[in-house]
Amino acid sequence: EIVLTQSPATLSLSPGERATLSCRASQSVSSSLAWYQQKPGQPPRLLIYEASNRATDIPARFSGSGSGTDFSLTISSLEPEDFAVYYCQQRGNWPLTFGGGTTVEIK
Amino acid sequence: QVQLVESGGGVVQPGRSLRLSCAASGFTFSNYGFHWVRQAPGKGLEWVAYISYDGSDEFYEDSVKGRFTISRDSSKNTLYLQMNSLRAEDTAVYYCARKYLGYNMYYFDYWGQGTLVTVSS
Repeated sequence: EIVLTQSPATLSLSPGERATLSCRASQSVSSSLAWYQQKPGQPPRLLIYEASNRATDIPARFSGSGSGTDFSLTISSLEPEDFAVYYCQQRGNWPLTFGGGTTVEIK
Repeated sequence: QVQLVESGGGVVQPGRSLRLSCAASGFTFSNYGFHWVRQAPGKGLEWVAYISYDGSDEFYEDSVKGRFTISRDSSKNTLYLQMNSLRAEDTAVYYCARKYLGYNMYYFDYWGQGTLVTVSS
């Protein structure tokens, strides 16, 4: 099973600041990685797939990069609605696995 | 618009069974594969099971293999998860999620609101 490790666990930032979230895989997943955003009481929402492709209707301030074992999600300038939990997920091997999540909180 | 609506959750005793349903609308159900993903209270996401667009392929997470069965009924546009021999550690919100369209693109592009399953005596 591929283990995804997200860091940091919590990111405390102010609106307008840049957020950089990390996801590291225990073995290479090529570019087979996605990012999701989840707000309290809501299901997750797909943000990025195949490491760097924005999903439908996702704002341009969200971008993804990386390949192999190291990936990042960047939010260029935090909007109030961006404070949430973010998960990475790999499709490189069964079982599909998620990282433990990074909480982006208001400083 | 795409809608996925889960139902069937509730409180069940350990060892008993429960069947979850997910009613889909707003798209051509038979063109898509589907997943079940769960989230224990206050915890992260865990993929549970997958079924292909035509039902020919099924995959399961190891801890549910042999206990859970994913199925679909295209005449009813409905996805199911039959859960047998339930354990306390199966307690979670269960989401159905649509597979992203594309070869081997095992991502989740639309999600339902989830249904809570509580396994407790």
